[in-house]
Amino acid sequence: DTGVSQNPRHKITKRGQNVTFRCDPISEHNRLYWYRQTLGQGPEFLTYFQNEAQLEKSRLLSDRFSAERPKGSFSTLEIQRTEQGDSAMYLCASSLATSGEEQYFGPGTRLTVT
Amino acid sequence: GENVEQHPSTLSVQEGDSAVIKCTYSDSASNYFPWYKQELGKRPQLIIDIRSNVGEKKDQRIAVTLNKTAKHFSLHITETQPEDSAVYFCAATLNFGNEKLTFGTGTRLTIIP
Repeated sequence: DTGVSQNPRHKITKRGQNVTFRCDPISEHNRLYWYRQTLGQGPEFLTYFQNEAQLEKSRLLSDRFSAERPKGSFSTLEIQRTEQGDSAMYLCASSLATSGEEQYFGPGTRLTVT
Repeated sequence: GENVEQHPSTLSVQEGDSAVIKCTYSDSASNYFPWYKQELGKRPQLIIDIRSNVGEKKDQRIAVTLNKTAKHFSLHITETQPEDSAVYFCAATLNFGNEKLTFGTGTRLTIIP
């Protein structure tokens, strides 16, 4: 499968624990986005990278959230001290930033905080 | 920042009839408007998009129209089929897609056989 992949697909954790998700974009894509989707809502932007540079972070992204893309390929999203309100689907998307390209979404990581 | 509103939140149509979903946006600088289809438990997938320099775009049974003056755009699905049942999201963004997407709240479309 040459699409965007995300791991794990599901994560159940207890409140207060740290979690880390991984996204592998389509190989030639230089832009990588993270979104969060809660039930019945559209995806909400969290942050995005061009290569290894983090270009924008949403105000939704508290200091408990951190994202990296160290070599400009895969990316990780870490949530520290998880809260029940962090329960959501975390979606990754990638695109090739040229004259405007489709953002291709991964299958998402569903996080449940108990 | 950009704000996108989407209506209706749910829509049921008889198989073979047409469905229309409408979105409005707030930022007049937005210039790229994609529509995504999301089936239950699956990833959002682009079905059609339109740039601000175009008023309408068609792809088989799907069409999108854009009114820049009124800042609204619509998705039209004709001759609906059961496999069209899904949640549809509109979105808006700057820089012809090279920026974050701001999504609407979604429309759950149900096609009644």
